[in-house]
Amino acid sequence: ETGVTQTPRHLVMGMTNKKSLKCEQHLGHNAMYWYKQSAKKPLELMFVYSLEERVENNSVPSRFSPECPNSSHLFLHLHTLQPEDSALYLCASSQDSTGVTGELFFGEGSRLTVL
Amino acid sequence: AQTVTQSQPEMSVQEAETVTLSCTYDTSENNYYLFWYKQPPSRQMILVIRQEAYKQQNATENRFSVNFQKAAKSFSLKISDSQLGDTAMYFCAFSPYSGAGSYQLTFGKGTKLSVIP
Repeated sequence: ETGVTQTPRHLVMGMTNKKSLKCEQHLGHNAMYWYKQSAKKPLELMFVYSLEERVENNSVPSRFSPECPNSSHLFLHLHTLQPEDSALYLCASSQDSTGVTGELFFGEGSRLTVL
Repeated sequence: AQTVTQSQPEMSVQEAETVTLSCTYDTSENNYYLFWYKQPPSRQMILVIRQEAYKQQNATENRFSVNFQKAAKSFSLKISDSQLGDTAMYFCAFSPYSGAGSYQLTFGKGTKLSVIP
């Protein structure tokens, strides 16, 4: 496989469920990101990991919990979500920080629906 | 904080024609990058074109070119000879250049472009 892959592509969960989103990159990149994409809103950066250390955490509610066990894998653990958390969650990677080259490589996203 | 504004929520263009998407931004930085990303329906977002602020020459990539006006903080994307595969959401984005350590890429709300056969 090449690029950035995300699973599952679609997820429906109740407000009391616990689920996880998975992202894997096959590009040898050092940084990985979680973005939230909601309709008619700009992409919101949630978390950034560089060399497996969290370097950005943009005031995201604690019901979202990221995990980066190694430089190729990134998880987003979800628990007790709210209906307003329904969105497309995008994973991305970059060779280094965006301030160096700026190019992000995105996965296809996980479409989350919270009932 | 930086902001990116795309004032055209939706646009359409006839196949083979030319279309220009607008983007303005606000920043106090002097060195930065600007980008246009494309997100086709149900497909991955990909980089279309990148511009370094210190370069006066406008970037071009095949049918895609930009009009970068630094003083006006304007960064428009021109698509020539539009093709059906150009149908997508287009996002303008900004990243400050601070060497290693800058991870903030600020996106606009996007412009939905439809290419009509």
